[in-house]
Amino acid sequence: KNEVEQSPQNLTAQEGEFITINCSYSVGISALHWLQQHPGGGIVSLFMLSSGKKKHGRLIATINIQEKHSSLHITASHPRDSAVYICAVEGDGGSQGNLIFGKGTKLSVKP
Amino acid sequence: DVKVTQSSRYLVKRTGEKVFLECVQDMDHENMFWYRQDPGLGLRLIYFSYDVKMKEKGDIPEGYSVSREKKERFSLILESASTNQTSMYLCASSFRVSPLHFGNGTRLTVT
Repeated sequence: KNEVEQSPQNLTAQEGEFITINCSYSVGISALHWLQQHPGGGIVSLFMLSSGKKKHGRLIATINIQEKHSSLHITASHPRDSAVYICAVEGDGGSQGNLIFGKGTKLSVKP
Repeated sequence: DVKVTQSSRYLVKRTGEKVFLECVQDMDHENMFWYRQDPGLGLRLIYFSYDVKMKEKGDIPEGYSVSREKKERFSLILESASTNQTSMYLCASSFRVSPLHFGNGTRLTVT
C-alpha cells in the first residue's frame, strides 16, 4: 500500500470550475507539501503546511491531521492551471525535506 | 528568488559511460536532494545531503553516487550508465524545514 495516495489520478475540468484534489497518507508527518509540475518538468512548491489552511491567490490547501487527509482546491480554474499536482509528506522521524511523494494528479482545464 | 540550476536539460549517453549530473543552488541552502521521476512511479529519492561532504542514501541509491564538495553544488554520478537509468532526474534544495526548490530537471536517455 502506498503511504501517500492521491485522487483522482486524472481530472478534466471546464474553465471556471471549482477543482478539488485529495491526498491521504498513512504515516505520521511533520509537514505536507503541495507541488505543481508543468509539462517540461519544472516543479514548483505551492504550499507547505502542518495544520489548518493556507491560501494563495486562487489556490487553497487544507489539512486534517487527525484524519490524515489534505485537499488542494482551485477556484475559478483556468487553462494555465493545467499541470500535474503532487502531494508529498515529510515524516515525523526528523529527516528534514526527505519526502514521500504521491503519484500525482494530472489536471487538464479546457477553455 | 531561489535558483536551482541543473547543468543539462537533455542528455544522451551510451551504456557503460560514466555520467555526471550537476546541480547548483544560489541560496546557501544546507539541504540538497537528487530524485528520479518515472511514469507511474512518481518521484523517488536517490541521495540527499544536509551539509558539505555529507551524504545519505535515499530509497534507490543502487548504481548512483554523489559528491558535495561545496555547499552550493551537489553532483549525481552514474558510475556505469545502464538503460534502466533512463529517466528524468530532478535536483532540489531547501533551508532546514522550508519548502523545496526544484531545478528544471535533466532528461537522461541511456542507449
